[in-house]
Amino acid sequence: DGGITQSPKYLFRKEGQNVTLSCEQNLNHDAMYWYRQDPGQGLRLIYYSQIVNDFQKGDIAEGYSVSREKKESFPLTVTSAQKNPTAFYLCASSIETGSGANVLTFGAGSRLTVL
Amino acid sequence: GQNIDQPTEMTATEGAIVQINCTYQTSGFNGLFWYQQHAGEAPTFLSYNVLDGLEEKGRFSSFLSRSKGYSYLLLKELQMKDSASYLCAVIDSNYQLIWGAGTKLIIKP
Repeated sequence: DGGITQSPKYLFRKEGQNVTLSCEQNLNHDAMYWYRQDPGQGLRLIYYSQIVNDFQKGDIAEGYSVSREKKESFPLTVTSAQKNPTAFYLCASSIETGSGANVLTFGAGSRLTVL
Repeated sequence: GQNIDQPTEMTATEGAIVQINCTYQTSGFNGLFWYQQHAGEAPTFLSYNVLDGLEEKGRFSSFLSRSKGYSYLLLKELQMKDSASYLCAVIDSNYQLIWGAGTKLIIKP
């Protein structure tokens, strides 16, 4: 079955450490996204990528980095520069971005807790 | 600024009907989505509206009024498995998705 796989499901990090969240899709989608979800707030876009080897900052990119070396993969690194990293992180993909109603397919999420 | 408003939490009874409202103020409008998200899981697509009116899909229907900046999601014949958060999202003039905080729906037997 096609879908998006995120790992790990739960992750604990000490302050000052970088961590990388994995996101893999086998839907052959061009666009991939990283969102952050906090209680009482809407999803906030961290980074997105429309094509391999290209990505753009979203609304809250500071303290995060991404890469898109393969169409299927879009890992997110939460760096020590991110001041409040404890959150639920969602990866998503769509056929394309830009104009039109691009339905997002989401992964099951990764919950990061900073100790 | 851009804003999407939804009630934080609603409670309904199994077998009943519930309407979840979403109002928006955005820079332009290119469509509105509803997603369902069970606790700790991935949001899943429910509906998309771009023209005024009602879109029906089984037990779920979604309504849009562009002039009022308003949408609702109607859930009929509620089942316990409908307990979830329901997320409203609007595509603005730059084709960016603006998300509401979601409405947590609690179904009681």
